[in-house]
Amino acid sequence: GAVVSQHPSWVICKSGTSVKIECRSLDFQATTMFWYRQFPKQSLMLMATSNEGSKATYEQGVEKDKFLINHASLTLSTLTVTSAHPEDSSFYICSASQGPLFYEQYFGPGTRLTVT
Amino acid sequence: AQSVTQPDIHITVSEGASLELRCNYSYGATPYLFWYVQSPGQGLQLLLKYFSGDTLVQGIKGFEAEFKRSQSSFNLRKPSVHWSDAAEYFCAVGALAGGTSYGKLTFGQGTILTVHP
Repeated sequence: GAVVSQHPSWVICKSGTSVKIECRSLDFQATTMFWYRQFPKQSLMLMATSNEGSKATYEQGVEKDKFLINHASLTLSTLTVTSAHPEDSSFYICSASQGPLFYEQYFGPGTRLTVT
Repeated sequence: AQSVTQPDIHITVSEGASLELRCNYSYGATPYLFWYVQSPGQGLQLLLKYFSGDTLVQGIKGFEAEFKRSQSSFNLRKPSVHWSDAAEYFCAVGALAGGTSYGKLTFGQGTILTVHP
């Protein structure tokens, strides 16, 4: 089946620094990638949708200048958390889709971000 | 906007016992419904999905779910649970009716399943 990887699987950074998380589709081309955030004991919340070669579409309440998303190729999307603060600590999950609709999404294993 | 409720945060069953995980949704149009399983260190894996047709859907790993429009429910069932089924389970609804939710998934809060030997 389709495989999506994320790197790193966990990261600790100091407050004020930036962190980049990579999401790769390993054996298929992903026209659309989604980024989710998951708080402990809570649901996955969609942060943004990105299509290859175009700007990401952010959900309401998500700061686009803080969470920079780049989808430069059909197999790679990156999420950069800029000037991270402790409240940005969370579990970030990406998914990749071979088509424009959600039902073809394949999920990565997630990245645990801790900001100290 | 659509929403999903999974009333049970944590369920414990004995190995070999039957299982039912509840999911209720709120959506103004025909829902597209999914169940995913998440194991530690792994991504969400699709167990099954319902788009239309037969309201009893068969999935992988011996799971099935039944769509009941009158109850706005999509409960997940398994007749005999295995220890390897211990994981977190998420119900999700997808929107195709247009608007800002088009093509997006909304997830429930998840149900953690513990299996006792």
